[in-house]
Amino acid sequence: DADVTQTPRNRITKTGKRIMLECSQTKGHDRMYWYRQDPGLGLRLIYYSFDVKDINKGEISDGYSVSRQAQAKFSLSLESAIPNQTALYFCATSKELAGGDTQYFGPGTRLTVL
Amino acid sequence: GNSVTQMEGPVTLSEEAFLTINCTYTATGYPSLFWYVQYPGEGLQLLLKATKADDKGSNKGFEATYRKETTSFHLEKGSVQVSDSAVYFCALSSSGNTGKLIFGQGTTLQVKP
Repeated sequence: DADVTQTPRNRITKTGKRIMLECSQTKGHDRMYWYRQDPGLGLRLIYYSFDVKDINKGEISDGYSVSRQAQAKFSLSLESAIPNQTALYFCATSKELAGGDTQYFGPGTRLTVL
Repeated sequence: GNSVTQMEGPVTLSEEAFLTINCTYTATGYPSLFWYVQYPGEGLQLLLKATKADDKGSNKGFEATYRKETTSFHLEKGSVQVSDSAVYFCALSSSGNTGKLIFGQGTTLQVKP
């Protein structure tokens, strides 16, 4: 079974709709992240969380919100989707390590906003 | 601020050719450096990493050396295979052990038989 799972894997929605992307992990890691991937731009950090009570904005948090329901679950919401939020979204987890965490990624959610 | 720049792709090679994907970075402090690989339809996975200057990371025949003097972490492989076709991302860790990564834009590698 995959250690980091994301649902749904694909979603098509319309402008103005509320969307929630979910991420679950069985690695027992405290740290979780949401990224979006756009062609030619690499991955950009949306939000990250070090534990259930510690949530932080990343470089592109506008238009997004998150919820850390438990150590194993971290959800990303688009309150009112817009077309430029069409992208591939990845969840990742890590465990704090001196010298730099290794992040473990889910398979991604492809979101299309029409 | 911290940033990572990778060579633009796509890179197209024949099987058994030598691979180099260039990566340079700008950072304060002493970041760790990473190469992640993304196979078609999958999430990213760690390929190798180096945590201090002159360290060499290696895995699956790939290597990269942390060069502080040239602020580089170039990825190399002596003989590529068709199965190496993927997108490769160079990344660095933000200072302060926050776990956050800053990624380059990715380089697509296509290996032809």
